[in-house]
Amino acid sequence: GQNIDQPTEMTATEGAIVQINCTYQTSGFNGLFWYQQHAGEAPTFLSYNVLDGLEEKGRFSSFLSRSKGYSYLLLKELQMKDSASYLCAVMDSNYQLIWGAGTKLIIKP
Amino acid sequence: DAGITQSPRHKVTETGTPVTLRCHQTENHRYMYWYRQDPGHGLRLIHYSYGVKDTDKGEVSDGYSVSRSKTEDFLLTLESATSSQTSVYFCAISAGTGDAETQYFGPGTRLLVL
Repeated sequence: GQNIDQPTEMTATEGAIVQINCTYQTSGFNGLFWYQQHAGEAPTFLSYNVLDGLEEKGRFSSFLSRSKGYSYLLLKELQMKDSASYLCAVMDSNYQLIWGAGTKLIIKP
Repeated sequence: DAGITQSPRHKVTETGTPVTLRCHQTENHRYMYWYRQDPGHGLRLIHYSYGVKDTDKGEVSDGYSVSRSKTEDFLLTLESATSSQTSVYFCAISAGTGDAETQYFGPGTRLLVL
């Protein structure tokens, strides 16, 4: 079967750095997506990785290792507005997105 | 803003009644999707469309049907609503033609089936 695993909840301090991990087992791979979802709102696109390595976008970076079936989202200089759920999704061989259950990130002052 | 709206935004209905949710887009994207989101689960694909009158089933299609008679509208129908269909429903669009295209989401519809 296809599976995406990510931690259910993480807590971090304002101004710090946090890394949210995602491991996957899917039938085929056509890229990995990270989305942010604030409570009661729709998911919004953060990043896309299809090749191994690190993609940086401002305070957010995303890393991919296809051989290990592993990705992480790195958030730097955390702000209170970063409190949200972070969703990992893999596009499989049929170009369908397989979603993890999401990681709820709580930021404390 | 990907120009996606969903209606209604909230709905309360009774078991056994039919319910139709509407997704409307303004940017002529080819692909449209319906997902449901429940606590403890990832987003789960219900149905998707790759063009007018072209639709296919997703992972959790039982009890749902869809129609797409115009590029801009994708309707999701619960033929006879059940309590297990209480959920948040998201519509998404992408310009994908088989490549890994980013999906953009509408604001969601909260459905409560009593």
